[in-house]
Amino acid sequence: RKEVEQDPGPFNVPEGATVAFNCTYSNSASQSFFWYRQDCRKEPKLLMSVYSSGNEDGRFTAQLNRASQYISLLIRDSKLSDSATYLCVVNLASGGSYIPTFGRGTSLIVHP
Amino acid sequence: DTGVSQDPRHKITKRGQNVTFRCDPISEHNRLYWYRQTLGQGPEFLTYFQNEAQLEKSRLLSDRFSAERPKGSFSTLEIQRTEQGDSAMYLCASSRIKFQLGAGTDTQYFGPGTRLTVL
Repeated sequence: RKEVEQDPGPFNVPEGATVAFNCTYSNSASQSFFWYRQDCRKEPKLLMSVYSSGNEDGRFTAQLNRASQYISLLIRDSKLSDSATYLCVVNLASGGSYIPTFGRGTSLIVHP
Repeated sequence: DTGVSQDPRHKITKRGQNVTFRCDPISEHNRLYWYRQTLGQGPEFLTYFQNEAQLEKSRLLSDRFSAERPKGSFSTLEIQRTEQGDSAMYLCASSRIKFQLGAGTDTQYFGPGTRLTVL
């Protein structure tokens, strides 16, 4: 089992739809969770941090479920410009230190 | 443009040659990370520095890989005796952290990457 797992998709949704992605992680001692967005052939850019209490930024909502060891990202009212790959990052406990570990990303395609 | 720069943006080399990549972080950032990304995968952590100290290097892919950050500003990643399997995008990221927290607890800003092709 991979340490951080994401469904690669693609998720193909119409404009205006609500879409949700999950990201599971293997180590319950992990801390610090993030969602990044990566456009084709570009570098990852921070979308949002994920806090234990959940957090919202406009149309985006991130949540953390420590008991089930996953984080989620919800996008409401999808725009064409939301088309991208969404990467989760988990700071995995490993041998006394923490290693920032990315999932493979979930591809989102928003169509007219 | 996040302010993190990498040079070169593209590198084509022959198998067996050595290559060196440079990363210039955002000026006030004290942490610097190196990652490798291959097609269809997320970035894979290689190593990181806090100021000039290399705090984690166990994830460097082999002893052919090494990194330095001699003055706590820019960093270099060197790959010796390149192999075709080294072909990938090499990403650098930087962050600013005030307290002694573990790697990855901070918000990282990525550079545009160096795309390496080994023939």
